[in-house]
Amino acid sequence: GDSVTQMEGPVTLSEEAFLTINCTYTATGYPSLFWYVQYPGEGLQLLLKATKADDKGSNKGFEATYRKETTSFHLEKGSVQVSDSAVYFCALSGGQAGTALIFGKGTTLSVSS
Amino acid sequence: SAVISQKPSRDICQRGTSLTIQCQVDSQVTMMFWYRQQPGQSLTLIATANQGSEATYESGFVIDKFPISRPNLTFSTLTVSNMSPEDSSIYLCSVWQGANTGELFFGEGSRLTVL
Repeated sequence: GDSVTQMEGPVTLSEEAFLTINCTYTATGYPSLFWYVQYPGEGLQLLLKATKADDKGSNKGFEATYRKETTSFHLEKGSVQVSDSAVYFCALSGGQAGTALIFGKGTTLSVSS
Repeated sequence: SAVISQKPSRDICQRGTSLTIQCQVDSQVTMMFWYRQQPGQSLTLIATANQGSEATYESGFVIDKFPISRPNLTFSTLTVSNMSPEDSSIYLCSVWQGANTGELFFGEGSRLTVL
């Protein structure tokens, strides 16, 4: 079945450092790919998404490119801030619109000043 | 965007009891999804609830343990039955909004602790 594999955390960075969180997937068909973020004490919210190969999702300085050839959707940010400290989840949705998401295990990011 | 309200937001329960979680959405939706997030873990889909039909459960989840109701297009309930400490989790309700793939919105979650 479909699955998502995320790099294990926690990831600890200093402010202004470069961030990469790796995400690879296994899926039949053409899934849509998502990154969700869960800030401390808050609910889960969408960070960015990409619906087809070579699409780049971006939001709040974060980017991820849908790479079909490597089945990857790595999350990157050029300069992290303390406020980026959160848990990040990579997820995929099967080809059919409106189906449930399959989540990776999540990666905890901690940014210190 | 969808606004999803869940009740209770948290509760402490005794082993062997049951608790019903309510999910109210501010718009009509066809499918609602119930997820579980165990401490320090990812989200696992419990079931998909369609209005007017029985919920569809994922492997490892059964109706006797997690009965779901979906009486209309804006409301659903999930009951966690005969609870044990292993059921201590955050339970989340979610819905899609937007054209095509759109976005999956989540409620704030219901944090259950079973003693």
